[in-house]
Amino acid sequence: NAGVMQNPRHLVRRRGQEARLRCSPMKGHSHVYWYRQLPEEGLKFMVYLQKENIIDESGMPKERFSAEFPKEGPSILRIQQVVRGDSAAYFCASSLGQNSYNEQFFGPGTRLTVL
Amino acid sequence: QQPVQSPQAVILREGEDAVINCSSSKALYSVHWYRQKHGEAPVFLMILLKGGEQKGHDKISASFNEKKQQSSLYLTASQLSYSGTYFCGTQKYGNKLVFGAGTILRVKS
Repeated sequence: NAGVMQNPRHLVRRRGQEARLRCSPMKGHSHVYWYRQLPEEGLKFMVYLQKENIIDESGMPKERFSAEFPKEGPSILRIQQVVRGDSAAYFCASSLGQNSYNEQFFGPGTRLTVL
Repeated sequence: QQPVQSPQAVILREGEDAVINCSSSKALYSVHWYRQKHGEAPVFLMILLKGGEQKGHDKISASFNEKKQQSSLYLTASQLSYSGTYFCGTQKYGNKLVFGAGTILRVKS
């Protein structure tokens, strides 16, 4: 029973490059969330997606960041022209449904380091 | 909008009890509790819903005071494995969880 999968687990980019983070939700889950965690800080919501739809992107920076969850394949968080401040752990979570009774299961995270 | 957790950190000896609190200034539908060990993903512990329904871990208990918009997580007879950072996530509507800054719990032998 595979959990939420994320890859890569560690990603190093130089300033100005693009970072692509992938998330495969748990089997049967169609709701995906992305959170960012800066060192020694809490989790900050970024975006909530269902298949082919962005439901809530209120936590996404206006520029350089985008997310998608296509009909087939994993959800992708893309960061263009990365800067040092983008260095963080990016966690993906998935849930079975959309009501408050559904817990979110987190993946192992992608640690992004921008040099 | 971010819920406030207290205390920020607590150190216990094995077998001692702890209470972690989470409060919000906004009306809530639910409170979700997670534990995160250093370098790992947050692990789901419990959900508390408006109306008193709960879902989660057998060995962990929690309460949700709807009037005060507060939740408390009770850790009894602590074990070394309880060490980590505990986060509460609050939910007003929809599915967005807003997390508190975390409470660091360290259990010593």
